[in-house]
Amino acid sequence: DVKVTQSSRYLVKRTGEKVFLECVQDMDHENMFWYRQDPGLGLRLIYFSYDVKMKEKGDIPEGYSVSREKKERFSLILESASTNQTSMYLCASSLTGTGGEQYFGPGTRLTVT
Amino acid sequence: RKEVEQDPGPFNVPEGATVAFNCTYSNSASQSFFWYRQDCRKEPKLLMSVYSSGNEDGRFTAQLNRASQYISLLIRDSKLSDSATYLCVVNRRSGGGADGLTFGKGTHLIIQP
Repeated sequence: DVKVTQSSRYLVKRTGEKVFLECVQDMDHENMFWYRQDPGLGLRLIYFSYDVKMKEKGDIPEGYSVSREKKERFSLILESASTNQTSMYLCASSLTGTGGEQYFGPGTRLTVT
Repeated sequence: RKEVEQDPGPFNVPEGATVAFNCTYSNSASQSFFWYRQDCRKEPKLLMSVYSSGNEDGRFTAQLNRASQYISLLIRDSKLSDSATYLCVVNRRSGGGADGLTFGKGTHLIIQP
């Protein structure tokens, strides 16, 4: 079974803090993705990566950056957390070239106060 | 037109009934289509892919109408465990690949005993 894990299920941070969300997949997938999910807005793509050290902006990259130093690990960084970044963050991975099934981690519920 | 549009519901359906929902997509070049299921406070999981010829998986039938750019999901003999949010998903560019998927906001289904 594909397994995607995220470092925390719940996280509370203060405005202005730097926040790291970690995601690890164990299926040797080339592609990894970060989404946020908000009520009424659905899942929105923040960043994705199709190879080590490669990254592409999604629909809402502002205020975020990412890092992919190893194939299995994709980190989302909030440089200076703000209250409007309070959300559920979901990481996903997929095989390359499929344009297809993505496997999601359990999500991190981030609250910025 | 929104990229992927779904009726948010909720659909309240008695156990054993048949329920159908549709979604429409705006990118005529899209090649990959899926239905994902998301349970409350859980991550989305692939329910089924949608093929041009239509496909069935047990009580679930998915159909694609490229001319009208809509996708449908039919659930027969609904069970209490079918209660969930169903996400219509379309690849972001033709040919699939690492550019990810666009998710609809989901249709909330409640099966009542």
